[in-house]
Parts: sequence; C-alpha cells; structure tokens
Amino acid sequence: QKEVEQNSGPLSVPEGAIASLNCTYSDRVSQSFFWYRQYSGKSPELIMSIYSNGDKEDGRFTAQLNKASQYVSLLIRDSQPSDSATYLCAGLQGGGGNKLTFGTGTQLKVEL
Amino acid sequence: DGGITQSPKYLFRKEGQNVTLSCEQNLNHDAMYWYRQDPGQGLRLIYYSQIVNDFQKGDIAEGYSVSREKKESFPLTVTSAQKNPTAFYLCASSSRTREKLFFGSGTQLSVL
Repeated sequence: QKEVEQNSGPLSVPEGAIASLNCTYSDRVSQSFFWYRQYSGKSPELIMSIYSNGDKEDGRFTAQLNKASQYVSLLIRDSQPSDSATYLCAGLQGGGGNKLTFGTGTQLKVEL
Repeated sequence: DGGITQSPKYLFRKEGQNVTLSCEQNLNHDAMYWYRQDPGQGLRLIYYSQIVNDFQKGDIAEGYSVSREKKESFPLTVTSAQKNPTAFYLCASSSRTREKLFFGSGTQLSVL
C-alpha cells in the first residue's frame, strides 16, 4: 500500500457545487496532514492543515480527518472555476522521521 | 518580501553533464527540502536538511547531491548518474521539521 493515496481524477463539478476530495493513508504516516493546491506549471500552495480527529473549517474549505479509518478529505463549498487545479494530500511520516509524503494528486475541474 | 527563490526557471542538461539548481530562502527556516515532480506521480523527496552542514537522503537520492553550508541556501546537483533527470524540481522550507512546507516556484529541467 502506498503511504498516501488519492484518486487521480479528474473530478468534475458544476460551479457552485461542493467538491469532495479524498485521501487515505497507511500506518507509516503520522497524524499530521496537509492539503496543497497546485495550478499547472506552478508550485504547490498550502490550503489547509489538520492534526486532530474531526473537522477544520477555513472559509470555503473544510478538512476532515478520521484516524480510525485512516482517511482525510477536503471539501470545497461553492466551487468556482478558479478552484480548478490539482489538489495534493500530504502526511508526515511517523516513527521520528521528518519527511512529508505526498499523494499523486487529484485534478479538479469546476465547470461553468 | 520573505520567500524561497529557485533559479533558473528552466534548465537544459546535455548528456554526461552535471547541473546545479539553486535554492535560497530568507524566511529564517531551519529545514529545507528538494522534491521532484513527474506527471502523474506527485512529489517525491530527494534530499532534506534540518540544520546547516547536515542533510539526509530522501526516497530517490540516487544521482543527486546537495550541500548545506549556509542556513539560507540548499543547492541541488543533478549528476550524470541520474539517467532520467527530466522533471519539475521543487525546493521547500519549514520553520521546524514537522511544520508545514513553503515552496519555491520550481525549476523545469530537461535533457537536450
């Protein structure tokens, strides 16, 4: 099993809808998780970080962490065409390591 | 403005040539990282450094070398031993080794 797994997509949603992006992780990844947004040809930009079980909201974005199921998600409410990008899920490796492991990313397309 | 500067933006390597990618940060961050990104494969860690004069191999260190002589600088050399160097290279830094990463704008390396 890969340490962090994402569906590559593309995930298409209509403008104004809720986009739901999902990520699962293995036992090798610790409990700190991050969501990055990456536009084509650009560097990743941090959107959300989540460290404890439950939901964390920031504007239109909500990150959810379920440790029992080893599942992290990102919800984007009122999706806009400018949200169209690749979303990368990342987690810190456990066991004293200091390495951030990334999933392969999910491409999101918000359609007019 | 504080940030991470990568140069050059585009770089071409000839067969058998070593090339060096520059990464400078003025965020006063202790930790710095180099990632490689190939289409559809997400980000993979090449090397990372937690303090000056110390660095550790990541998941794909073969064919690469780094140095960390100054806190602000973490150059990456792609050696001739790296047979498939074409990729987008991203430098990142963090204030502590378990904190969120901030990325530079990236260098696209291609082989002539």
